[in-house]
Amino acid sequence: DAGVIQSPRHEVTEMGQEVTLRCKPISGHDYLFWYRQTMMRGLELLIYFNNNVPIDDSGMPEDRFSAKMPNASFSTLKIQPSEPRDSAVYFCASSFSTWGTEAFFGQGTRLTVV
Amino acid sequence: SQELEQSPQSLIVQEGKNLTINCTSSKTLYGLYWYKQKYGEGLIFLMMLQKGGEEKSHEKITAKLDEKKQQSSLHITASQPSHAGIYLCGASGGSQGNLIFGKGTKLSVKP
Repeated sequence: DAGVIQSPRHEVTEMGQEVTLRCKPISGHDYLFWYRQTMMRGLELLIYFNNNVPIDDSGMPEDRFSAKMPNASFSTLKIQPSEPRDSAVYFCASSFSTWGTEAFFGQGTRLTVV
Repeated sequence: SQELEQSPQSLIVQEGKNLTINCTSSKTLYGLYWYKQKYGEGLIFLMMLQKGGEEKSHEKITAKLDEKKQQSSLHITASQPSHAGIYLCGASGGSQGNLIFGKGTKLSVKP
């Protein structure tokens, strides 16, 4: 397996534009996590899915953020409209279970909103 | 909600020196993970601890879990420049399924 695949690796967009980040988890993994990493706040859990169903989205900062997982092999994180304070590295991770198994991380998407 | 506090926030050591990074949880730890991250890259899994008193080693890195104190420590023996990076501890919320992380410890190793 190629691991967790995120796209794009880098995204620069203007304030107010819609941004969509994509993630392909490892095949067979039941859990998918979206994180945001900044210097100030560290690695924050935004939302996670179990078997394609959102379980906890309490970490999503605002209604401008939304995440979907239409099938077991694809998830998106959308920001609409984007703001400069959304600039961060966004990571996707997947795991077989939350008990006794590690999560595998993608390489991240570095988002810059100007 | 559960929180993880790491100390120190940053660390600069001379090559060959030993060092310890600590991770303290605000709630009971069901599973404790240690990851390493290099700048601009994703997180790489190091070790996982589940049982109180458990200790695991990989090359020159040893991690321990003290379940009673809700703490874990990561110890590096005879540090090398290749050990430089950000070390993050993560915890599973048990049946809740979430996986949260501390803010990380930035380690620099001077040759």
